[in-house]
Amino acid sequence: AQSVSQHNHHVILSEAASLELGCNYSYGGTVNLFWYVQYPGQHLQLLLKYFSGDPLVKGIKGFEAEFIKSKFSFNLRKPSVQWSDTAEYFCAVSLFTGGGNKLTFGTGTQLKVEL
Amino acid sequence: NAGVTQTPKFRVLKTGQSMTLLCAQDMNHEYMYWYRQDPGMGLRLIHYSVGEGTTAKGEVPDGYNVSRLKKQNFLLGLESAAPSQTSVYFCASRSTRAGELFFGEGSRLTVL
Repeated sequence: AQSVSQHNHHVILSEAASLELGCNYSYGGTVNLFWYVQYPGQHLQLLLKYFSGDPLVKGIKGFEAEFIKSKFSFNLRKPSVQWSDTAEYFCAVSLFTGGGNKLTFGTGTQLKVEL
Repeated sequence: NAGVTQTPKFRVLKTGQSMTLLCAQDMNHEYMYWYRQDPGMGLRLIHYSVGEGTTAKGEVPDGYNVSRLKKQNFLLGLESAAPSQTSVYFCASRSTRAGELFFGEGSRLTVL
């Protein structure tokens, strides 16, 4: 079964610091990859997604992620975080074929940005 | 643009009571999902549906039942609630197997 690992459970940064959140998945086949964000008290929203093509994907609010197939990774980055980026971030994986009906989520990373 | 709507948003139950959570989407999506979110555990898939009249089990289906009688609705039922089912429940839908999920605002359920 596919699994998703997010190694950083809690991250605290100061405004303007750079951010990198790790995401690794276990499946060796073709995958679709997603990062979702959940602001306090709200539902999950899509930040960015990777299906194919350029492994460097740009999303909303200045976020980007890089798919490295050899490392089974899809790390999220932002050069300079803002206080408003305080939220929980979830990586998710969907198989491209076979059991691709399901989206499997990581356990999430809680990001707190301090002024 | 309603998107995905969940009702109720909050509910308190006593152990052994039953209830149904309703999810409605107005985007004509084929795929619908029920997840539960618990601290430190992320989102775990309870059940899902790939089309009207079909349902399938996810990671944590025990204690829950679902129905998809109409394409736009996906119901999650708890026949006999237990304190372990205290959680926030999210419904989601997507148009294709590979597409992004659109989430509802969540339903917070407390079982005493």
